[in-house]
Amino acid sequence: AQSVTQPDIHITVSEGASLELRCNYSYGATPYLFWYVQSPGQGLQLLLKYFSGDTLVQGIKGFEAEFKRSQSSFNLRKPSVHWSDAAEYFCAVGATGNQFYFGTGTSLTVIP
Amino acid sequence: ETGVTQTPRHLVMGMTNKKSLKCEQHLGHNAMYWYKQSAKKPLELMFVYNFKEQTENNSVPSRFSPECPNSSHLFLHLHTLQPEDSALYLCASSQLAGGRDGELFFGEGSRLTVL
Repeated sequence: AQSVTQPDIHITVSEGASLELRCNYSYGATPYLFWYVQSPGQGLQLLLKYFSGDTLVQGIKGFEAEFKRSQSSFNLRKPSVHWSDAAEYFCAVGATGNQFYFGTGTSLTVIP
Repeated sequence: ETGVTQTPRHLVMGMTNKKSLKCEQHLGHNAMYWYKQSAKKPLELMFVYNFKEQTENNSVPSRFSPECPNSSHLFLHLHTLQPEDSALYLCASSQLAGGRDGELFFGEGSRLTVL
């Protein structure tokens, strides 16, 4: 069955430090993968997506993610975190039919 | 106009009330979705409409009734809700209905509290 796992419920990083949010998926075919960000009281905004091609994808706000088929992972990274990056981050896989499978999210706190 | 607009942003209702959530998309998309977001749970897909036709009903209780009069508008009619229905209800749209055809564009959500 398709599923998405975000093993870190909550992460705290210092402003300026690097960030990596983990995402593992379970999907039988080549996955379509997404990272979304949700600020408090807001909807989800797409950060980046992977459909095919280069396994390192660049997104908005300086984020990037790397698809690793052998590890069934699609981890999100940012070299230097800003206070405005504090939010909830969701990984998702797009499947056939009308299905998008979302992880439970990782809450990011940024400390000065 | 923002891409996907949801109203109201906040709604408090009693268990015997009838209310509706509204969603409007200005992106020219053909598919619209309702998701339920509860704390510490994955987003739950409720309904999908593709070209105004319902293509997915994810075992949602009948106290939730969707309506899609055209490809730009989506409603969620609520009646005799339970306190456990309190959640953030997110509307989304995509060019085509399918996780392998494009990404979802979300509205800001309607925060529902059932007393």
